[in-house]
Amino acid sequence: SQTIHQWPATLVQPVGSPLSLECTVEGTSNPNLYWYRQAAGRGLQLLFYSVGIGQISSEVPQNLSASRPQDRQFILSSKKLLLSDSGFYLCAFDRADYNEQFFGPGTRLTVL
Amino acid sequence: GQQVMQIPQYQHVQEGEDFTTYCNSSTTLSNIQWYKQRPGGHPVFLIQLVKSGEVKKQKRLTFQFGEAKKNSSLHITATQTTDVGTYFCAGRDNYGQNFVFGPGTRLSVLP
Repeated sequence: SQTIHQWPATLVQPVGSPLSLECTVEGTSNPNLYWYRQAAGRGLQLLFYSVGIGQISSEVPQNLSASRPQDRQFILSSKKLLLSDSGFYLCAFDRADYNEQFFGPGTRLTVL
Repeated sequence: GQQVMQIPQYQHVQEGEDFTTYCNSSTTLSNIQWYKQRPGGHPVFLIQLVKSGEVKKQKRLTFQFGEAKKNSSLHITATQTTDVGTYFCAGRDNYGQNFVFGPGTRLSVLP
């Protein structure tokens, strides 16, 4: 069966520190991968999506970046965190042969 | 670009009352999906609608896709405390390229 993992579950980081969030998918191949951010009590903001290894599309300009070093691995990074980067980060995947998006458990990031 | 709106933003109901959330897209959609996110959790897929005018039911939940394929609704009959959460619609445009989530409707159910 298909599963999606994210870690860490929670993270508290100081302003200006780097960030690396990892997402891995199991049980499927060639998934489309997505990073979303959700501010407290708000909707889902699409940050990045990837249709294949090394292929990253950015939806919003910001100090975050994404990489896909392997087919089922998606990484969200930042060199220097801002206060405004706080939020709930969700990784998701889908495939061309079905439309449903499967979400990971999320990482709750607090930047102090 | 494609925009998806939802109303209301928040809804507080007494347990047993009905609830409806509406989703509207600025462009015609190839399909629309609904997700539920429990407090502190992640969005979970509920259903997908594809055909114009389609209606689907899941127990107390009724989903509709508009004739013009630009709007949709989710109706919950006789809400229960387990219905608490945020309900998101998400639409894919006719080119299959863009998949956009609405801002969600947060439902509170008072026992």
